[in-house]
Order: sequence, then C-alpha cells, then structure tokens
Amino acid sequence: DSGVTQTPKHLITATGQRVTLRCSPRSGDLSVYWYQQSLDQGLQFLIQYYNGEERAKGNILERFSAQQFPDLHSELNLSSLELGDSALYFCASSLLGQGAGNEQFFGPGTRLTVL
Amino acid sequence: EDQVTQSPEALRLQEGESSSLNCSYTVSGLRGLFWYRQDPGKGPEFLFTLYSAGEEKEKERLKATLTKKESFLHITAPKPEDSATYLCAVQEGTSGSRLTFGEGTQLTVNP
Repeated sequence: DSGVTQTPKHLITATGQRVTLRCSPRSGDLSVYWYQQSLDQGLQFLIQYYNGEERAKGNILERFSAQQFPDLHSELNLSSLELGDSALYFCASSLLGQGAGNEQFFGPGTRLTVL
Repeated sequence: EDQVTQSPEALRLQEGESSSLNCSYTVSGLRGLFWYRQDPGKGPEFLFTLYSAGEEKEKERLKATLTKKESFLHITAPKPEDSATYLCAVQEGTSGSRLTFGEGTQLTVNP
C-alpha cells in the first residue's frame, strides 16, 4: 500500500459525459501527478501540481482539467468523453515538486470505461 | 524528446533461472532513472532510483545498474511471485519532475 488513495476504483459512463476522479496523496507529500495508461500508449504524464499550483503539463487534452485543493487532495475532471478516453488513470505523489530523489508513489488507479 | 525503450517486451523464465531486463534511454540531462513493478490492474510499485552511471541498488532478488545510455534490472533466482510488468522511467533535468516511461517488460516466472 503506497499511501496514495484514489476514488472511484471503476467508472462506467457514456460518450459526451463528464466525470471527476479524486486523489489523496501520501501524508506529507506536496506534489500530485496524474498519468493515463492505455493499452496502446503505456503510461503518459498528464499534469503535475505542487502545493496547490500547477507545476508542469504533459499531453493533457483541453477537455481535461485538474486542480489541487488546500488540503492537497487533487481532482481530475474529464469532459465531453470519447471512447478513446477509456483507460486507467493513476495519481502519484511525491514529497517535493522537483529535484533529484523525488520518487513518485502511485495510487491504485481509476479504471474509466466510456461506452 | 526523451525516449525510453525496454527490451524484451516479454520474458518467460523457469523458477531459479536468472536473467536481465534492459532499459535504453535518450535524455538531454538525466536527473534520475526509476524502476517500478506493476501487477495487472494495479498501480506501479516503486523499486529503485538510480542517479549516476556506475550506481547499483539491490532489493531481495533484484539488482539495478546504470550506465550513461542504459539500465539493467537483474533478477537472480526468480520465483513465481516475481511475475509482473517491470517499468523503467526517466526524469529529465529540465522538465520538472515528470516521468517518461518505457512500454515495460512483462515477466512470467513458471514454477
């Protein structure tokens, strides 16, 4: 158990809908990362927040957005869902925002299925 | 652009048969190389971080090494419970803390 929690575990929805995925980082960690894992693309970095501020952005679609709240939990919002958005979404956390030794610990993931 | 290539894609071993997994990388400035283990439908589990060429780290039957162009994950006398996908990732000097992952090596250890 990494100490990172994600809810829900599974989400089934229809095309065009909007969903929110939630992540609580390990106690004491200030940075949260979101990754997408699909069968054809492996693990892809989406976005990073550090202590409430956006720190880095990857290939995140405009239909997707995220935020980190004062209690350091984070939410990833996915809207206008398409079939291709079906994937495992992982949250990871680390103590710091950058620098060597910044190991990331992953949560159990949310499996999103878009029908 | 950072690139991480893992080989082989899949590896099947008999229990006790030692082997190595390879991770080749291309980055402009390596800040760290990470190894993770991932079981089906689960989140990646952190194993090791390597920072500089020549560095080695060990944990039970696993040993990770690093050169300027690649990393190896050596598995000594594997057991069936070592079966998993092993992921390699790099953290590059100018891109903050994001990890760029390889596609992974799916390891199966038969009893």
